[in-house]
Amino acid sequence: GESVGLHLPTLSVQEGDNSIINCAYSNSASDYFIWYKQESGKGPQFIIDIRSNMDKRQGQRVTVLLNKTVKHLSLQIAATQPGDSAVYFCAEMNRDDKIIFGKGTRLHILP
Amino acid sequence: DTGVSQDPRHKITKRGQNVTFRCDPISEHNRLYWYRQTLGQGPEFLTYFQNEAQLEKSRLLSDRFSAERPKGSFSTLEIQRTEQGDSAMYLCASRHLSGSVREQFFGPGTRLTVL
Repeated sequence: GESVGLHLPTLSVQEGDNSIINCAYSNSASDYFIWYKQESGKGPQFIIDIRSNMDKRQGQRVTVLLNKTVKHLSLQIAATQPGDSAVYFCAEMNRDDKIIFGKGTRLHILP
Repeated sequence: DTGVSQDPRHKITKRGQNVTFRCDPISEHNRLYWYRQTLGQGPEFLTYFQNEAQLEKSRLLSDRFSAERPKGSFSTLEIQRTEQGDSAMYLCASRHLSGSVREQFFGPGTRLTVL
């Protein structure tokens, strides 16, 4: 069946360092992937997306990498800031337009 | 604020009571989605609408749950005879079905606590 999961529940990173959050997915037929950021008491906020015909996409301070061979997705955040503290979810959107979320990784920023 | 809004933000109820939540999507967004999120988990899909038509319902949506979008704008999600297991954050999202953009915009959620 379809499932999207994350390798680590918590990640602590020094302020200013780069953060890398990983995700594994199981549905090889998935064609669209998204990273969401969720701060306490708020709904998920779109960060960046990538289609299955790409292996890398860059945004402002964020990069998403897709490795279809091993069904692995990662989010890289450059120069991590205190405002990056949140739970990050990888997700896939299927053809039926439903988002399937993983369990999330909590990112802690150390001063 | 022109984002997705949800009301109420918090709801505490006793087991067996009925509750109703409201979602106002972004104007002109024709697709509206409901998700449920329990503590420490990612959101899970419940149902979605295209305009006023309910296109799909998850197996998670028992017969105690009903959702409507009568005029193709705001939507309501009702839970009848609430159970403690219904305690969760209920999230609404919307998007416009056009072009290649598939991003769904989420509201702040309604946190339900069933005592």
